[in-house]
Amino acid sequence: AQSVTQPDIHITVSEGASLELRCNYSYGATPYLFWYVQSPGQGLQLLLKYFSGDTLVQGIKGFEAEFKRSQSSFNLRKPSVHWSDAAEYFCAVGVIGSARQLTFGSGTQLTVLP
Amino acid sequence: EAQVTQNPRYLITVTGKKLTVTCSQNMNHEYMSWYRQDPGLGLRQIYYSMNVEVTDKGDVPEGYKVSRKEKRNFPLILESPSPNQTSLYFCASSKTTFQGTEAFFGQGTRLTVV
Repeated sequence: AQSVTQPDIHITVSEGASLELRCNYSYGATPYLFWYVQSPGQGLQLLLKYFSGDTLVQGIKGFEAEFKRSQSSFNLRKPSVHWSDAAEYFCAVGVIGSARQLTFGSGTQLTVLP
Repeated sequence: EAQVTQNPRYLITVTGKKLTVTCSQNMNHEYMSWYRQDPGLGLRQIYYSMNVEVTDKGDVPEGYKVSRKEKRNFPLILESPSPNQTSLYFCASSKTTFQGTEAFFGQGTRLTVV
């Protein structure tokens, strides 16, 4: 069965600093990969997704993620963090042939210092 | 406006008192699912539905029931709630059952069982 690991439970960065959130997946083939963001009191919103093709994908709010097959990783990055980026971030995997659609990681809570 | 609507947003109940959390989507989506979110565990799927009258268990179905009599509605039923079902619940819908389809989430229902 597929699984998703987000090694960092909590990350703190200063506003304007760069950000990288880690995501590793376990699956025998190339899965569909997603990053979702959950702002306080809100549901989850899709930031970006990877299906195939270019391994660097651009998303909303200035985020990007890079798929690295050799490392089974799909890390999320942003060059300059804004205070409004404080939220919880979830990496998710969608697997062909699985009716359950998405398997989520445990999430990374991002705190942004002024 | 395209959305997934859950009600109620907050609920405190007592052990054993049956309750229903409603979920409705206005996007004519085929696929709907319920997740629970617990600290350190991310989102875990409870039940999903691939279309009207088609439902199946996710990863943590014990103690829950669902039904899909209409395409737009997917209620979650707790027939005899217990304190270990205290959690944050999310309903989600997707246009198709394709694993690469974006999932749209409701704003969540915070349930406390005392």
